[in-house]
Amino acid sequence: DVKVTQSSRYLVKRTGEKVFLECVQDMDHENMFWYRQDPGLGLRLIYFSYDVKMKEKGDIPEGYSVSREKKERFSLILESASTNQTSMYLCASSSPRVTYEQYFGPGTRLTVT
Amino acid sequence: RKEVEQDPGPFNVPEGATVAFNCTYSNSASQSFFWYRQDCRKEPKLLMSVYSSGNEDGRFTAQLNRASQYISLLIRDSKLSDSATYLCVVNKAAGNKLTFGGGTRVLVKP
Repeated sequence: DVKVTQSSRYLVKRTGEKVFLECVQDMDHENMFWYRQDPGLGLRLIYFSYDVKMKEKGDIPEGYSVSREKKERFSLILESASTNQTSMYLCASSSPRVTYEQYFGPGTRLTVT
Repeated sequence: RKEVEQDPGPFNVPEGATVAFNCTYSNSASQSFFWYRQDCRKEPKLLMSVYSSGNEDGRFTAQLNRASQYISLLIRDSKLSDSATYLCVVNKAAGNKLTFGGGTRVLVKP
């Protein structure tokens, strides 16, 4: 069974803080993704990575950065958290052979006050 | 205009009934299509792919209409456990990126 884990289920941070969200997958997948999910807007892709140290911007990368130092780990960084980054953050991974089947982690509900 | 649009619902469905809903996509170059399911407070999971000829998986039938740029999902003999949000997903080109719709919420009631 594929397992994608995220470091926290709930997180509360203050405006201006630097925030790290960690994601780990155990299926040796090359592809990893970070999304945010907001009511009415669905899942929106922030960044993705198709290999170690490789990253590509998704649809809404502003205010975020990512790090992929190891194949199993993909980190999302909010350099200076703002209230409009309050959201559910979902990490996913997939094999390059079956790119359409993404396996998601349980999500991190981030609140920025 | 959103790339992938869905009626958010909710669709309130009596147990045992049939429910169908659509999803429209704006990019005619879109190549592949999928339905994901997301239970309340859970992560999305792949439900089924949508093929040009249509496909069926048990009580679920998916159809693709390229001319009108929409896909559909039909659920027959609805079960209480079918209550979920169904996400329409489009892959614009061969590659890694998927575009998700906002989801259609289905509530099956006894």
